[in-house]
Amino acid sequence: GENVEQHPSTLSVQEGDSAVIKCTYSDSASNYFPWYKQELGKRPQLIIDIRSNVGEKKDQRIAVTLNKTAKHFSLHITETQPEDSAVYFCAASKKRSGSSNTGKLIFGQGTTLQVKP
Amino acid sequence: DAGITQSPRHKVTETGTPVTLRCHQTENHRYMYWYRQDPGHGLRLIHYSYGVKDTDKGEVSDGYSVSRSKTEDFLLTLESATSSQTSVYFCAISELDTGELFFGEGSRLTVL
Repeated sequence: GENVEQHPSTLSVQEGDSAVIKCTYSDSASNYFPWYKQELGKRPQLIIDIRSNVGEKKDQRIAVTLNKTAKHFSLHITETQPEDSAVYFCAASKKRSGSSNTGKLIFGQGTTLQVKP
Repeated sequence: DAGITQSPRHKVTETGTPVTLRCHQTENHRYMYWYRQDPGHGLRLIHYSYGVKDTDKGEVSDGYSVSRSKTEDFLLTLESATSSQTSVYFCAISELDTGELFFGEGSRLTVL
């Protein structure tokens, strides 16, 4: 089955700097790659996602890149702010044959991002 | 936020006792999932459901069973709780076609 590895496990940056979190996946059939943010004591929430027919996607200060050949994808946060401090999870899933994505997401281990003021 | 609620939100129980966690949704989404979250392991899929009475195993299904007799309810049962099942359990729902998961607020289970 799918295996998703995420690095680093912790990341500390100064406010205003950029942060990059990287994930690799094992199943070449995976075609949906979301990123979730979980603030302390809260539920995970989707912040950005990318599908396999796209190499990069941006949404304001966050962007995700996908390299299908190497089977890795990355989250980039620019101009970090203290409110970006949270745990970030990458995930991967694939379609069932003849059906849309099932949402059967396999998650990475998570990255704790600390943004220092 | 999607209409998804979990109960109980907190539970302390003893080893060997049965435990049932309930997930209730008002969105009429077809897909429902149970994940557990543990430090260093991220979110691991326990069981999932594609519809009423249609369930399947996830990554860490041993020691857990599920039932879905109605679209809106997905129950997770620990037949005989063990200390290794101490965790935070998240239910999630998704619509067909998007893949996005909407999570409940989580249920913290402690097995003594």
